[in-house]
Amino acid sequence: IVMTQTPLSLSVTPGQPASMSCKSSQSLLNTDGKTYLYWYLQKPGQSPQLLFSEVSNRFSGVPDRFSGSGSGTDFTLKISRVEAEDVGIYYCMQSLQPGLFTFGPGTKVDIK
Amino acid sequence: EVQLLQSGGGLAQPGGSLRVSCGASGFTFRNYAMTWVRQAPGKGLEWVSAISGSGGSTYYADSAKGRFTISRDNSKNTLYLQMNSLRAEDTAIYYCAKDRTAVAGGDFDYWGQGTLVTVSS
Repeated sequence: IVMTQTPLSLSVTPGQPASMSCKSSQSLLNTDGKTYLYWYLQKPGQSPQLLFSEVSNRFSGVPDRFSGSGSGTDFTLKISRVEAEDVGIYYCMQSLQPGLFTFGPGTKVDIK
Repeated sequence: EVQLLQSGGGLAQPGGSLRVSCGASGFTFRNYAMTWVRQAPGKGLEWVSAISGSGGSTYYADSAKGRFTISRDNSKNTLYLQMNSLRAEDTAIYYCAKDRTAVAGGDFDYWGQGTLVTVSS
């Protein structure tokens, strides 16, 4: 499964919204009814961190200005009001099949 | 507090071997799958290998099959990645990550600090 992300780079004014897209080459909806799409953020100089599981389940500690949505092959991560601490590279990742995980190329977010 | 402390890595020659380790604390290690993800210099994330909580199931990316071996010692709360037949393109920061279930599901809630592996003559 190939993951694509757009845009690859995003420059946002603090307080403004941001949106990024992730598309998969095949549906990530499993027969168990779950959709195996995850979002990770890698802040500069840090290890990646989990933002969302199964499209829209916000991980503990993730601010509610972040939201994840989508289904099938099309997914979106939105930030309602960007803050300086949100800079980094956002990766989507699929895990439809055990042991065949693939990341997207990432969307780099910086502050204007 | 969950902690994943990585060690090992360093410099290896092409064709050589290295082992990276990931010591876990703050959770019942045997109950969770673990994974390795790498990041080549200036590049994105690449999933490398995963292992179930029991160690009975292992998975590899095509780039790692036949050369890398993932293993775990649940008595020592430690995850390993043995890398053989190393190539220049294996040069990367290697991260271990904890899954949220016992099976390799891709839900990585905690990550190690990363360890640099450099393959060069």
